Amino acid sequence: AQTVTQSQPEMSVQEAETVTLSCTYDTSESDYYLFWYKQPPSRQMILVIRQEAYKQQNATENRFSVNFQKAAKSFSLKISDSQLGDAAMYFCAYCHGGATNKLIFGTGTLLAVQP
Amino acid sequence: DADVTQTPRNRITKTGKRIMLECSQTKGHDRMYWYRQDPGLGLRLIYYSFDVKDINKGEISDGYSVSRQAQAKFSLSLESAIPNQTALYFCATEAGASGELFFGEGSRLTVL
Repeated sequence: AQTVTQSQPEMSVQEAETVTLSCTYDTSESDYYLFWYKQPPSRQMILVIRQEAYKQQNATENRFSVNFQKAAKSFSLKISDSQLGDAAMYFCAYCHGGATNKLIFGTGTLLAVQP
Repeated sequence: DADVTQTPRNRITKTGKRIMLECSQTKGHDRMYWYRQDPGLGLRLIYYSFDVKDINKGEISDGYSVSRQAQAKFSLSLESAIPNQTALYFCATEAGASGELFFGEGSRLTVL
């Protein structure tokens, strides 16, 4: 069975600094997708970034980028120029490709941003 | 208006009561999901539906049931609520088989 592991329950970063959140996953599939979702205190789940496993290029969305290491099954999220509004719970998620895919989530990392 | 709407947003109930959490969506997606969020456990899948006639159990379906009344509506029921069902419940839709989910705002349920 596929699993997603986030080994950092909590992280802290100074405003304007850079922080990296870790995620590893376990799968025997070759076709899959990886995601980072953000959950601010409002509790709304928001998609931050998505990566297709077949793409070698790391996905980037403004200040958010990933380091996708397929062989190591690692998918870390880098937040540059951290802002107070980045404070949230961040969830890493996996789903395999195909018609019967379902999203599997990690346990989350709570990010605090210090002014 | 939100694309995925959950009702109620918050609910307190007593052990043994029947509870229904409702979800409706205007995104036109066939796929809908119910997840449960607990501190330290992330989001776990309760039930999912790939179309109106398709209902599937997720990893933690015991004690729950669902109904897909229409493409736009997917309800989660707790027939006899117990305290360890106290959690934040999320409904989500999926665009095709993309893996990208669109979440409702969550329903916080407390069972006393």
